[in-house]
Amino acid sequence: AQSVTQPDIHITVSEGASLELRCNYSYGATPYLFWYVQSPGQGLQLLLKYFSGDTLVQGIKGFEAEFKRSQSSFNLRKPSVHWSDAAEYFCAVGALGGTYKYIFGTGTRLKVLA
Amino acid sequence: GAVVSQHPSWVICKSGTSVKIECRSLDFQATTMFWYRQFPKQSLMLMATSNEGSKATYEQGVEKDKFLINHASLTLSTLTVTSAHPEDSSFYICSARDIQSYEQYFGPGTRLTVT
Repeated sequence: AQSVTQPDIHITVSEGASLELRCNYSYGATPYLFWYVQSPGQGLQLLLKYFSGDTLVQGIKGFEAEFKRSQSSFNLRKPSVHWSDAAEYFCAVGALGGTYKYIFGTGTRLKVLA
Repeated sequence: GAVVSQHPSWVICKSGTSVKIECRSLDFQATTMFWYRQFPKQSLMLMATSNEGSKATYEQGVEKDKFLINHASLTLSTLTVTSAHPEDSSFYICSARDIQSYEQYFGPGTRLTVT
């Protein structure tokens, strides 16, 4: 069965520190992977996506993610966190073709300490 | 970039009434739109897949007669919550799949409160 796991429900980091949010997936075919960010009461903003090619993907706001097929992971990283990065982060796996459904992880809530 | 709008952004209705939420793709066409529901501090749960010109496909456990979906054009899908009850209060988010690509674009969401 297709699934996405985000092991960390909450993460707290100090401003300026590095960040890594974990995402593991289970998918029968080549996965199409996404990271979204959601501020309270807001919709989703796409940070980055992976379809194919270079496994290190650069996104907006200084985020990057690395696809590791052997580990079924797509972890999100940022070298230096800003207070404005505090939000909920969702990893998602999408189907190309067929239903085109996205499956979302449970989310990781990031808190940034000043 | 591709923009998806939702209207209204928030709505309060009385128990037993119906409320319609619109999802529009503003600068692209979408044969497929998706409706999600998000409870506070939880993830997005797919409710249904809306296909232009055909019936929606509902996920297991979602009541078809309660959540009516219409996708009458390539840029508009509507979700009608019929006979709403307080437990229907939630954040509803739609997404639209660009007809020329496989990517989904998400709307800003609609917060529904049923009193």
